Amino acid sequence: DAKTTQPNSMESNEEEPVHLPCNHSTISGTDYIHWYRQLPSQGPEYVIHGLTSNVNNRMASLAIAEDRKSSTLILHRATLRDAAVYYCILSSPFRAGNNRKLIWGLGTSLAVNP
Amino acid sequence: EAGVAQSPRYKIIEKRQSVAFWCNPISGHATLYWYQQILGQGPKLLIQFQNNGVVDDSQLPKDRFSAERLKGVDSTLKIQPAKLEDSAVYLCASSPGQYEKLFFGSGTQLSVL
Repeated sequence: DAKTTQPNSMESNEEEPVHLPCNHSTISGTDYIHWYRQLPSQGPEYVIHGLTSNVNNRMASLAIAEDRKSSTLILHRATLRDAAVYYCILSSPFRAGNNRKLIWGLGTSLAVNP
Repeated sequence: EAGVAQSPRYKIIEKRQSVAFWCNPISGHATLYWYQQILGQGPKLLIQFQNNGVVDDSQLPKDRFSAERLKGVDSTLKIQPAKLEDSAVYLCASSPGQYEKLFFGSGTQLSVL
């Protein structure tokens, strides 16, 4: 199974952009890149996902390297509510048919300073 | 829209006792997942259902863990007997289909003493 590597922790200041990196050097051509975040004492929450092209939504942007071996989650203006653990996950085909499996790593713990 | 409901929120038991967790997914979601999250780690998939059929249970310790999804809606996860290393948060998630994003419940925090 392809795996992801993320820094254990990062720190940011409120209202500044945050770039959260993820390495996935063994990614295959059919693996999607997903990002989820987990606030304290809550279940994970979907943030964004993509395959090859950069993606934007109301929460964040996802920049995918041309060789797809790395990606970056961009929070454009961090707020205190963005303090969470951010997981970069690969969605890989599993068995036959349309089954896919999410392979979770340890995530990056983001602290946001006021 | 109502989210994924889980109960209980917390559970404390002694080792060798049994315990059950309940999950009610978002209405209409065909896919249901149970994850185990040990403190400081990412979630680990225990079992995935598509409607009421099992898609993946390769990481479920079947000698002590069991799960069912009756009528393709609610699901229960049971541990019997519990071990100390089962102390974790048990997360239930659902999605409309296997390519769709997952919606998680708040989890059940289990402490085995």
